[in-house]
Amino acid sequence: KQEVTQIPAALSVPEGENLVLNCSFTDSAIYNLQWFRQDPGKGLTSLLLIQSSQREQTSGRLNASLDKSSGRSTLYIAASQPGDSATYLCAVEPQGAQKLVFGQGTRLTINP
Amino acid sequence: EAGVTQFPSHSVIEKGQTVTLRCDPISGHDNLYWYRRVMGKEIKFLLHFVKESKQDESGMPNNRFLAERTGGTYSTLKVQPAELEDSGVYFCASSQGASFSYEQYFGPGTRLTVT
Repeated sequence: KQEVTQIPAALSVPEGENLVLNCSFTDSAIYNLQWFRQDPGKGLTSLLLIQSSQREQTSGRLNASLDKSSGRSTLYIAASQPGDSATYLCAVEPQGAQKLVFGQGTRLTINP
Repeated sequence: EAGVTQFPSHSVIEKGQTVTLRCDPISGHDNLYWYRRVMGKEIKFLLHFVKESKQDESGMPNNRFLAERTGGTYSTLKVQPAELEDSGVYFCASSQGASFSYEQYFGPGTRLTVT
């Protein structure tokens, strides 16, 4: 059974810092891994999708890496801004199953 | 292009009552998914439709939950009778094709509170 863990559960940093969010999964047989952002009371916004054959994806100040063999992914946020404050969720799609398995998320607060 | 929409945004009902949640996927998306997040837990898969057919309903917690997608357009999720542990946020997502090739787009969710 696939399980996804995100560490830390919460993180508070001053504005301008670079930071890394971690995601680990127990079964390397995945199609892809996605990072989402959720603002309070809002839905999920997809940030980056990494296919199993890829090592990383970049979008603006965000960079996500995937090490499938070790079951790990990181989301790197450069030059953090208060607007980056949100809950960040990692999800994998197991092979043979068209569904996402989520971690519990990391609640990120960027302090001005 | 409109995104995934869900109705209502918030529902408060008493234990034993019935509630029906609605999801309108992005136009043209044949794949529709329901997920939910109960307090303190991660978001969990409930079921997956391809057009009007249930492809995978392995995540449905029990027979008090009934999902339909008549005509392959919008979907409803009925909870009857509701229990306290059903409280949480119910998300709907849709994708153009099989999700290992196509991204899932999520709606804003319906917050269900059972008292």
